[in-house]
Amino acid sequence: DQQVKQNSPSLSVQEGRISILNCDYTNSMFDYFLWYKKYPAEGPTFLISISSIKDKNEDGRFTVFLNKSAKHLSLHIVPSQPGDSAVYFCAASSSGSGTYKYIFGTGTRLKVLA
Amino acid sequence: DVKVTQSSRYLVKRTGEKVFLECVQDMDHENMFWYRQDPGLGLRLIYFSYDVKMKEKGDIPEGYSVSREKKERFSLILESASTNQTSMYLCASLRRAGNTGELFFGEGSRLTVL
Repeated sequence: DQQVKQNSPSLSVQEGRISILNCDYTNSMFDYFLWYKKYPAEGPTFLISISSIKDKNEDGRFTVFLNKSAKHLSLHIVPSQPGDSAVYFCAASSSGSGTYKYIFGTGTRLKVLA
Repeated sequence: DVKVTQSSRYLVKRTGEKVFLECVQDMDHENMFWYRQDPGLGLRLIYFSYDVKMKEKGDIPEGYSVSREKKERFSLILESASTNQTSMYLCASLRRAGNTGELFFGEGSRLTVL
């Protein structure tokens, strides 16, 4: 039972354009969401997070949008750069559970074309 | 910055061997995690620990055990390795911020079981 889903395994975008990566979740108890970026042969690195009390969080070129009613979040990268080519994972947790258990999606491979 | 070190980047073991994967973090974090990453399946939680000698099963604990004798060290043990445990193993520690936090990952240990 996949509680966090990333339905697009891959995405190609031209350099300078917007990249939009999507993530859906099924557990209504999830209230904290994170995005991680992973290069081959390296561990994932934290990008940006959002709490369910917000619907948008921005950090430089990265913006995460949260639609609680649709149980959907998206990561926007503007403008996209070749160095952004990586696998992106979304993760979700329930802050009230006290376990700090993070559930990850299956990932989306982003390729930014020069 | 937080450093999570996994002792072995690449291992090749034979079916039935006992395998130890070691992970050390340098930030005095209480919570530590072991995930495995497989193509198309994303990151799946094997075990986590919220204190010394404390452990909790994640979503796929079968065939694995863990040890947390010291706060900085969290070990994953495969008692009798099998070919379906060939995978990338990722250790993480959590920098808590209230009821949420940010996971910091090691570089991963790629295990091949022949």
